[in-house]
Amino acid sequence: GNSVTQMEGPVTLSEEAFLTINCTYTATGYPSLFWYVQYPGEGLQLLLKATKADDKGSNKGFEATYRKETTSFHLEKGSVQVSDSAVYFCALSDSDSGAGSYQLTFGKGTKLSVIP
Amino acid sequence: GAGVSQTPSNKVTEKGKYVELRCDPISGHTALYWYRQSLGQGPEFLIYFQGTGAADDSGLPNDRFFAVRPEGSVSTLKIQRTERGDSAVYLCASSPQSGDTQYFGPGTRLTVL
Repeated sequence: GNSVTQMEGPVTLSEEAFLTINCTYTATGYPSLFWYVQYPGEGLQLLLKATKADDKGSNKGFEATYRKETTSFHLEKGSVQVSDSAVYFCALSDSDSGAGSYQLTFGKGTKLSVIP
Repeated sequence: GAGVSQTPSNKVTEKGKYVELRCDPISGHTALYWYRQSLGQGPEFLIYFQGTGAADDSGLPNDRFFAVRPEGSVSTLKIQRTERGDSAVYLCASSPQSGDTQYFGPGTRLTVL
């Protein structure tokens, strides 16, 4: 079956530090990969996505590259801000999901705290 | 435009009771999903609708859980004989078509006492 493994949190960084949150996946088909973010008190929001190997998704200074050879989709940002404090979820959507549902399979989430 | 909305935002009930959770998807979105998120975990898939039909209900944990979408828009997740283990945040998401980006609602936090 499909699964997503992401690094355990919490992660605490100082403002302007470099961020990496590791994510690896297992899938039976040809998945699309996603990073969702959940800010305190808010719902899940799509941060970025990549639909095929070697694609790079980017948004708000965050980037992630779909690496099929290592089955990874690590999230990076060069300089984090206090406003980036949130929980980040890596997820995949597989074309081989039952009945063409493209259901999302999520990792457990990584809580990021950025301190001034 | 309006996003996905869910009501109620919070629901507290007693063990053994019946609850209904409502989801209003983005207008025109044909695909609708329900997920459940337990504390400290990522969301887990429950059921998927394409139009009015439940095309994939493989994530429903048991037969106490049921969902409908009679007119292809609003959906209701129904839980019978609630148990304390059902306590979680129930999330609804919609997308224009299956395979498109899913947009999530704010969730309903269910607490079973």
